[in-house]
Amino acid sequence: LAKTTQPISMDSYEGQEVNITCSHNNIATNDYITWYQQFPSQGPRFIIQGYKTKVTNEVASLFIPADRKSSTLSLPRVSLSDTAVYYCLVGDLQAGTALIFGKGTTLSVSS
Amino acid sequence: GAVVSQHPSWVICKSGTSVKIECRSLDFQATTMFWYRQFPKQSLMLMATSNEGSKATYEQGVEKDKFLINHASLTLSTLTVTSAHPEDSSFYICSARDLGAADGYTFGSGTRLTVV
Repeated sequence: LAKTTQPISMDSYEGQEVNITCSHNNIATNDYITWYQQFPSQGPRFIIQGYKTKVTNEVASLFIPADRKSSTLSLPRVSLSDTAVYYCLVGDLQAGTALIFGKGTTLSVSS
Repeated sequence: GAVVSQHPSWVICKSGTSVKIECRSLDFQATTMFWYRQFPKQSLMLMATSNEGSKATYEQGVEKDKFLINHASLTLSTLTVTSAHPEDSSFYICSARDLGAADGYTFGSGTRLTVV
């Protein structure tokens, strides 16, 4: 899987929009971009996945520029319960190989 | 959605003993499962990949004789930590290849192992 770079940590307040950017300069043609959320002592949870442009679901939006060398996870109006570690992964998920996690971004939301 | 049931959620064992962690795929068949280890404030580290009916493939640096993985059925994979030591204390997470999932994978809830 392509190596990714994310900020180690971010702080926010309740109600704000949070944008976490991930760099993946070596992304391949068949690679998708997937974001996971992990709470302490729990397994990762799938948030959103995209290939290009913009993807939105009930939880987040994912913005991918035309060159696909980066992506931004956008969390609208965060709450305290959004405090977690967020991982950006890039790879050909159809290949079925193991997911390799980078360091992730620890998001802390305060009241 | 599909669930991977991981048990136990936490376990405490004495040094030198062995402990088994189970991961069961509910409502789907998992031909491939992955095992991860996560130390405090660190990311998930892949330990091994197991395919049903085959020997597991271990990542470099992971002792296959210490971390025994069995994937004898399409719904069950087990990780046995043999002769556990305090340095094996960690959070262990399994993941199953799940073609029905949006991302193609379903994770277990993890097992907190403490060796005393």
